[in-house]
Amino acid sequence: NAGVMQNPRHLVRRRGQEARLRCSPMKGHSHVYWYRQLPEEGLKFMVYLQKENIIDESGMPKERFSAEFPKEGPSILRIQQVVRGDSAAYFCASSPPWRELNTEAFFGQGTRLTVV
Amino acid sequence: AQKVTQAQTEISVVEKEDVTLDCVYETRDTTYYLFWYKQPPSGELVFLIRRNSFDEQNEISGRYSWNFQKSTSSFNFTITASQVVDSAVYFCALSELIAGNMLTFGGGTRLMVKP
Repeated sequence: NAGVMQNPRHLVRRRGQEARLRCSPMKGHSHVYWYRQLPEEGLKFMVYLQKENIIDESGMPKERFSAEFPKEGPSILRIQQVVRGDSAAYFCASSPPWRELNTEAFFGQGTRLTVV
Repeated sequence: AQKVTQAQTEISVVEKEDVTLDCVYETRDTTYYLFWYKQPPSGELVFLIRRNSFDEQNEISGRYSWNFQKSTSSFNFTITASQVVDSAVYFCALSELIAGNMLTFGGGTRLMVKP
């Protein structure tokens, strides 16, 4: 049973380009969470999605950031017109629906985004 | 609003010493979960424990133990007889029961275990 898969592991973008980060949840998991870890800081919650739905996006920056989790395929975190301050590690976690199976989320290995 | 504070940003010990990592939290909810994660130098997040607010029993797992004290809003983590492989950043986190796995993380404590 493969774990949460994130790709790419490392991503370098020039200022102004777009970054697309992918997250494939564990088999059977329909809920995905994205977190951002700035250098030397803790993780900050960004967005919580289930298939085709955004449940909570209270941690998402208002501009340039978007997330989706389509019916088929991975969840995508998209950052448009990246700036140096977007350089961070982005972690994805997945879980079954909370009320159906009360379990912790499993984290992927993260994508390290560097904006040059 | 929830908040998790890990006052110790960095701790350095010599192998075989015991070490305690502190975690203090704030929440208005009566029902919540507390977590500890380990982030080794390779960067991934390793789940260590989840505790719900109804269960104040301390837990021991090998060299690891956790002390949950609701009265002081603390969930401290002790490593007994530390080893070099314990060197990592350790994060404490909190979630409301209804929020499931939307976690509020502390800033982390970097533990360095020297041989």
